[in-house]
Amino acid sequence: QSALTQPASVSGSPGQSITISCTGTSSDVGGYKYVSWYQQHPGKAPKLMIYDVSDRPSGVSNRLSGSKSGNTASLTISGLQAEDEAEYYCSSYTSSSTWVFGGGTKLTVL
Amino acid sequence: QLQLQESGPGLVKPSETLSLTCAVSGASISSSGYYWGWIRQPPGKGLEWIGNIYYSGSTNYNPSLKSRVTISVDTSKNQFSLKLNSVTAADTAVYYCTRRVESTSNRDCWGQGTLITVSS
Repeated sequence: QSALTQPASVSGSPGQSITISCTGTSSDVGGYKYVSWYQQHPGKAPKLMIYDVSDRPSGVSNRLSGSKSGNTASLTISGLQAEDEAEYYCSSYTSSSTWVFGGGTKLTVL
Repeated sequence: QLQLQESGPGLVKPSETLSLTCAVSGASISSSGYYWGWIRQPPGKGLEWIGNIYYSGSTNYNPSLKSRVTISVDTSKNQFSLKLNSVTAADTAVYYCTRRVESTSNRDCWGQGTLITVSS
């Protein structure tokens, strides 16, 4: 199985909005609603931010939102804050009953 | 409050078997509705799904690791385990145990992770 494709890095200024894309195939992202997003700060375990394409766990800021179109899922963060600076990973269920991650995107808040 | 805690040797020699345990507290591993799994992250790199197990014992593994991986559950100790045999330096990584809600991508709990180094 191939990793999902994410941009290596994105950046934005405080208050702005950014979008991170996650591109797969019809056998993973495009075929299921089981796409999730994780935030990881250096030296820490990943934290679930979005699951099932667009659902937010309790306690996650509503500045984060998820969507999907075809084989590409997206994570949008609005009103950027310094604390949003982190690595972000997408993940999807696959037709082989396995899971695959994206390569990760480094978000820099300028 | 659910907590997962990985434990392992820290250092494993090449060609040997890596064995990790994830202790579950705050929930019963025997309860239906959850998958228990392992994910790893080589130093400075991204996340890689290793596999998961249902309380019934049903397993799924990453095809790239399937020939070397075994995940099992010990309900008497409320824990689950990972065994990865014939390890090489490429298996050096932080290993995380996780819980995922069945029929969702809600991987709602992660352990803090444990670094396993493969070196002679």
